[in-house]
Amino acid sequence: SAVISQKPSRDICQRGTSLTIQCQVDSQVTMMFWYRQQPGQSLTLIATANQGSEATYESGFVIDKFPISRPNLTFSTLTVSNMSPEDSSIYLCSVLGDREQFFGPGTRLTVL
Amino acid sequence: KQEVTQIPAALSVPEGENLVLNCSFTDSAIYNLQWFRQDPGKGLTSLLLIQSSQREQTSGRLNASLDKSSGRSTLYIAASQPGDSATYLCAVPNSGYSTLTFGKGTMLLVSP
Repeated sequence: SAVISQKPSRDICQRGTSLTIQCQVDSQVTMMFWYRQQPGQSLTLIATANQGSEATYESGFVIDKFPISRPNLTFSTLTVSNMSPEDSSIYLCSVLGDREQFFGPGTRLTVL
Repeated sequence: KQEVTQIPAALSVPEGENLVLNCSFTDSAIYNLQWFRQDPGKGLTSLLLIQSSQREQTSGRLNASLDKSSGRSTLYIAASQPGDSATYLCAVPNSGYSTLTFGKGTMLLVSP
């Protein structure tokens, strides 16, 4: 299994600002992903973080709003840009192990 | 496009009861299915992974079954405890096998 940590665990931000969320894995992994969970909803995939190339975004998510970095096989960042109250969610990093997916503890973001 | 449905959306039971959570999916061409637990405001903990070749998987008081042909999985919790209170999510891989589609979850409350 993989152990995943995220920073920050939670934050309260003002409208119009940006927040960068960090994801660190305790082992090298090929596949890393970022999900969003809006209040009362299930998880929605934002993008696949590709090492050495641009992230692959799902329909409805764009790089200008959610830029992602993946400098190596153990680390990734997700930035939520120009935030609005609709961005208030839990953001989760996940990795694909041998057969199953593992998730980080999440970052709880509130935008005022 | 894969769709995952979980029934019931919420369940409240007294301690000690055995209970069943249901998950259905529209595309039966899956190669595994995962059950997760999520505590309020937290990340996901993987509970059980069932491969498509398996019919059941057990971990402690938890037993998950998979019927690919009918597009259904169940999570059986024996002798429920207040510490089991959480939201339970099932998820199946999308085509390409790396990302997941989630159900909306069953919110379980076990009262002492």
